[in-house]
Amino acid sequence: QTVVTQEPSFSVSPGGTVTLTCGLSSGSVSTSYYPSWYQQTPGQAPRTLIYSTNSRSSGVPDRFSGSILGNKAALTITGAQADDESDYFCVLYMGSGISVFGGGTRLTVL
Amino acid sequence: EVQLVQSGAEVKNPGESLKISCKASGYSFTNYWIGWVRQMPGKGLEWMGVIYPDVSDTRYSPSFQGQVTISADKSISTAYLQWSSLKASDTAMYYCGRQGLLNEVDYWGQGSLVTVSS
Repeated sequence: QTVVTQEPSFSVSPGGTVTLTCGLSSGSVSTSYYPSWYQQTPGQAPRTLIYSTNSRSSGVPDRFSGSILGNKAALTITGAQADDESDYFCVLYMGSGISVFGGGTRLTVL
Repeated sequence: EVQLVQSGAEVKNPGESLKISCKASGYSFTNYWIGWVRQMPGKGLEWMGVIYPDVSDTRYSPSFQGQVTISADKSISTAYLQWSSLKASDTAMYYCGRQGLLNEVDYWGQGSLVTVSS
């Protein structure tokens, strides 16, 4: 079964830039996987940040951006703020209506 | 305004059945896939499956195939997730989500907490 990989944790300084990645246990991520990214704070429903690799959802600040870096999808946060401290999940579309979540990255801003 | 409103928290005994719901409004229910996501306590999000309500075409993650049933009633714009025999390991928060045109979840329900304990 396909495994979607993410860094378990990451830290960034306030005002800094961080790039989180989303890969595959076997193979490369491309735009054909329609990578999407979600932010979740404790006790809250997820919030959709990025879809189809690099499209921002309505109301998402432009300091959040998506891309393909090498063989992975990437979420870059530029000018990190304290309230960016959250869990971040990527999703890859595998075809035939099936999607898979990555394990998530816990981002600390300190 | 698109809204997905889920049914409330449930506490069940192992072996009992359960059906939770997700009522959609603000868009044409039959024209979008709608799916379910599990989050076990302290864990990440897991994609369970989706349904296209117009024709009830349903797709399941291999991990959840045979473990749950996803259905929809297009007459009342409501999707369902059901179990025939709950286990303690089904204890989790369950979110419904509308799948947008580029395979993203573009709208989320507020979550339904299911607790299975004897």
